[in-house]
Amino acid sequence: KQEVTQIPAALSVPEGENLVLNCSFTDSAIYNLQWFRQDPGKGLTSLLLIQSSQREQTSGRLNASLDKSSGRSTLYIAASQPGDSATYLCAVGANNAGNMLTFGGGTRLMVKP
Amino acid sequence: EPEVTQTPSHQVTQMGQEVILRCVPISNHLYFYWYRQILGQKVEFLVSFYNNEISEKSEIFDDQFSVERPDGSNFTLKIRSTKLEDSAMYFCASKRQIYEQYFGPGTRLTVT
Repeated sequence: KQEVTQIPAALSVPEGENLVLNCSFTDSAIYNLQWFRQDPGKGLTSLLLIQSSQREQTSGRLNASLDKSSGRSTLYIAASQPGDSATYLCAVGANNAGNMLTFGGGTRLMVKP
Repeated sequence: EPEVTQTPSHQVTQMGQEVILRCVPISNHLYFYWYRQILGQKVEFLVSFYNNEISEKSEIFDDQFSVERPDGSNFTLKIRSTKLEDSAMYFCASKRQIYEQYFGPGTRLTVT
């Protein structure tokens, strides 16, 4: 059974810092990996999708990497802003017909002005 | 930009009652999903649906749960006899073939 872990659980940084969020998973036979943002009481906003054959994806100030063999992904946020404050979720897509996502517990990020 | 919509945003029901949660996936998407998130816990997969049938379901998705795509646009989750532990945020998601899953804003279900 796939298990997804995110470290740290919470992070507080001053505005402008670059930061790295970590995600690890136990079964490397994945289809893809998706990073989401969740604001309190809200839905999930997709940030980046990495297919299993890819090593990284970039969108604006966000860069996600994938090392499937070691079961790790990182989300790098450059020049953090207060508006980046949210919970960031990593989800691993199963390599089967349903392609269900298994989620980590999230990293709660606070960017202080 | 197209988005997944869900209704209602909040549903309060009494234990033992039936509830139907509704979702309108993005129009050209082929795969549909339900997930739930109990307050303070991880998002959990419930069921995936493709080509008018369930393709996968989790242990949570027991006989009390069912899904349906009654027409070309709606995707519903029915809970036949709600329990207190069914209280959670329920998310619908959809996707095209190899692309990312897009999530709706969720329905908060409160069972009293």
